[in-house]
Amino acid sequence: GQQLNQSPQSMFIQEGEDVSMNCTSSSIFNTWLWYKQDPGEGPVLLIALYKAGELTSNGRLTAQFGITRKDSFLNISASIPSDVGIYFCAGDSSNTGKLIFGQGTTLQVKP
Amino acid sequence: SAVISQKPSRDICQRGTSLTIQCQVDSQVTMMFWYRQQPGQSLTLIATANQGSEATYESGFVIDKFPISRPNLTFSTLTVSNMSPEDSSIYLCSVDSGPRQGGIDYGYTFGSGTRLTVV
Repeated sequence: GQQLNQSPQSMFIQEGEDVSMNCTSSSIFNTWLWYKQDPGEGPVLLIALYKAGELTSNGRLTAQFGITRKDSFLNISASIPSDVGIYFCAGDSSNTGKLIFGQGTTLQVKP
Repeated sequence: SAVISQKPSRDICQRGTSLTIQCQVDSQVTMMFWYRQQPGQSLTLIATANQGSEATYESGFVIDKFPISRPNLTFSTLTVSNMSPEDSSIYLCSVDSGPRQGGIDYGYTFGSGTRLTVV
């Protein structure tokens, strides 16, 4: 079946540093999404990407939909302690709302 | 975007029993989905809850174990039947609240989840 390979699995960075994580797949996706999940909570949608090549920002977050439609990256600039959490990429290959999720990137930020 | 309320938020259940999880949305949505997140893992789609018809299950999930109801466009339930410790997970309701306009405010919204522990 379809899979999303998300990397890195975990990151431990200093406050103020920039962060980059990515997802790749052997399959084409029509929509790429990036979520953040805090402990005890459901995933919160950060950025949604609907067109190949699309580059979208949300505050300090920037994400891109790869031109091949098989990958996406998320950048976080000037990280702060509240950025701590698990970040998931997700893809919708069929525009049905059904999502495939990456394995997640656990981000820790040292003040 | 749609606001989703899930109940209960957490529960501890005895093996062999069943638990029904409710998902209420503050607006009518076309698509509702149920996901499972096993401890320390990512999310896996269980099924699509179809209004007025039987749910559509993903590979590895069956109706006898996870019966789903969707009586209207704002409400759905997921039952975890004949539970075992392996069913201990977070169960999440998701909706696709469209329309598609990019950015962050449309579609693919999740509830806060139901944390289930089976003992």
